[in-house]
Amino acid sequence: GQQLNQSPQSMFIQEGEDVSMNCTSSSIFNTWLWYKQDPGEGPVLLIALYKAGELTSNGRLTAQFGITRKDSFLNISASIPSDVGIYFCAGQYNAGNMLTFGGGTRLMVKP
Amino acid sequence: GAGVSQTPSNKVTEKGKYVELRCDPISGHTALYWYRQSLGQGPEFLIYFQGTGAADDSGLPNDRFFAVRPEGSVSTLKIQRTERGDSAVYLCASSSGLAETQYFGPGTRLLVL
Repeated sequence: GQQLNQSPQSMFIQEGEDVSMNCTSSSIFNTWLWYKQDPGEGPVLLIALYKAGELTSNGRLTAQFGITRKDSFLNISASIPSDVGIYFCAGQYNAGNMLTFGGGTRLMVKP
Repeated sequence: GAGVSQTPSNKVTEKGKYVELRCDPISGHTALYWYRQSLGQGPEFLIYFQGTGAADDSGLPNDRFFAVRPEGSVSTLKIQRTERGDSAVYLCASSSGLAETQYFGPGTRLLVL
């Protein structure tokens, strides 16, 4: 099935560093979402974006909905050890429709 | 309050067997979604229900897969004649309405030997 192109696939950073990851699609979405998944758990929503060009923050997380509606990025500032996990972008064409996920970015933080 | 729950948490079966995976959505949530996540991949959509009816089943890979939600709450994903390629984590999500956030359960890890 279709998946969004998410990069990088993995990152190994020092605690305190900033992190950036992005997601691109060949088709447009009207909603972009960013989830975090810990081992043995389901994805947990971090940020939802509903409007092209929108920039939204949630604590140390900032995400943007690309103006073309075909991309989004997520930034994490001043990383901490509990940021470790797998981050997924997801696009949704219409409210209530299925989510289309990226392949994930595995983040590892060295204390 | 309680989140989405899924049972069993792990299931090991043999090729050719039949399995049922259960999802209990958050109480009052009308929409329910099933996704499948293979190792190292993002979740992929299978089917979603609005109430008792399947609103979109376009993600079911073939006719060995079937899901029901007879009373508009609990849902069961059924897989017939399991194959080794069916091994994955099966995730369930629910939302309070079509425009609302999808909340995921912890998943059922299915291993077909």
